Amino acid sequence: NAGVMQNPRHLVRRRGQEARLRCSPMKGHSHVYWYRQLPEEGLKFMVYLQKENIIDESGMPKERFSAEFPKEGPSILRIQQVVRGDSAAYFCASSPPGTGALYEQYFGPGTRLTVT
Amino acid sequence: AQSVAQPEDQVNVAEGNPLTVKCTYSVSGNPYLFWYVQYPNRGLQFLLKYITGDNLVKGSYGFEAEFNKSQTSFHLKKPSALVSDSALYFCAVRLSSGGYNKLIFGAGTRLAVHP
Repeated sequence: NAGVMQNPRHLVRRRGQEARLRCSPMKGHSHVYWYRQLPEEGLKFMVYLQKENIIDESGMPKERFSAEFPKEGPSILRIQQVVRGDSAAYFCASSPPGTGALYEQYFGPGTRLTVT
Repeated sequence: AQSVAQPEDQVNVAEGNPLTVKCTYSVSGNPYLFWYVQYPNRGLQFLLKYITGDNLVKGSYGFEAEFNKSQTSFHLKKPSALVSDSALYFCAVRLSSGGYNKLIFGAGTRLAVHP
């Protein structure tokens, strides 16, 4: 059973460009979470999605950031007009359907975004 | 507001000695508590969780953690440390109701085990 997959693993963008980060959850998992980790810091929650629905986006910046989890295909975290402060590691996690709070989240290897 | 505190940035332990990585939490309801480990340039790996029941929880790689409600703590322990345990450890809390399952992480504690 493949784990959570993220691509690309490393992404370099110039200021003003768009960054697209992809996440494929574990097989059978329908809950997806995105977290951001700044250097030497813990992970900060960004957004929680189920198929075709954003459940909680309380951690997402109001501008330039968006996320989706379509019926088919991976979840996408999109950052428009990137700035240097967006440089971070972005982790995706997934958990099974049902009483999600009881289940641990399984994390992908992360995408390290560098904005030059 | 819900929060998790890991008071030590780094813990140094000699191989073979017991180790403790501290975690305290602040939540308004019943907490679900988790420990994760992160190796360099890798994602987080799940170690163990407390949901309900026995306050002593056993997890992967010989780690265990004790839930203490009165002290609002969930310290990670291992009886005998290995050099390969050296990594970054994160404590996390999730609310048992509401909160939509998001994890709130501590800042992390770097464990260094010396031969």
